[in-house]
Amino acid sequence: SQQGEEDPQALSIQEGENATMNCSYKTSINNLQWYRQNSGRGLVHLILIRSNEREKHSGRLRVTLDTSKKSSSLLITASRAADTASYFCATDGTTDKLIFGTGTRLQVFP
Amino acid sequence: KAGVTQTPRYLIKTRGQQVTLSCSPISGHRSVSWYQQTPGQGLQFLFEYFSETQRNKGNFPGRFSGRQFSNSRSEMNVSTLELGDSALYLCASSLRDQANYEQYFGPGTRLTVT
Repeated sequence: SQQGEEDPQALSIQEGENATMNCSYKTSINNLQWYRQNSGRGLVHLILIRSNEREKHSGRLRVTLDTSKKSSSLLITASRAADTASYFCATDGTTDKLIFGTGTRLQVFP
Repeated sequence: KAGVTQTPRYLIKTRGQQVTLSCSPISGHRSVSWYQQTPGQGLQFLFEYFSETQRNKGNFPGRFSGRQFSNSRSEMNVSTLELGDSALYLCASSLRDQANYEQYFGPGTRLTVT
């Protein structure tokens, strides 16, 4: 079963707008990661946030983590058409294997 | 450094046949994990190998198996293929000793079972 659930399932925005996607998970974690997948290809690691961190930045990406609510959010600022992809959160749960969420499909229109 | 490579990229098999997929991790990475991705079930963890030993296994039937060689290259095998095995199979390697750290994915093998 999926450990993480992303919300929304799909998101369409214009270039220049910000995109926010959320991830909820079920069990305690050591860390949470976000990945991007372009259509039918392998995943690319974006950012890892540890359970004792609340916020992390990487370029145009901002990730927050609220362990009390078992949720995380990924914010992409000033979106570009090239950001069009599916975004997945992944957690390790109570094991040391990564469990991926259901993903958010982001479409950025030029 | 070269990225994770997977061969073949595309494969068409018939029900009942078996298939072997190959994955070469990034040089120096000792952890290799396999995932199955389908539209209905999403990304599901198959198994993880570290130093030639299976360290973790997902909830898949025994028809799915794997192994890792001394050079960290890994293979997965699916026997007695079923239509539902049609999927994108992704391999990922990790620098750290624990698979839950950032993983580097290959492009995947698209398996179609007819």
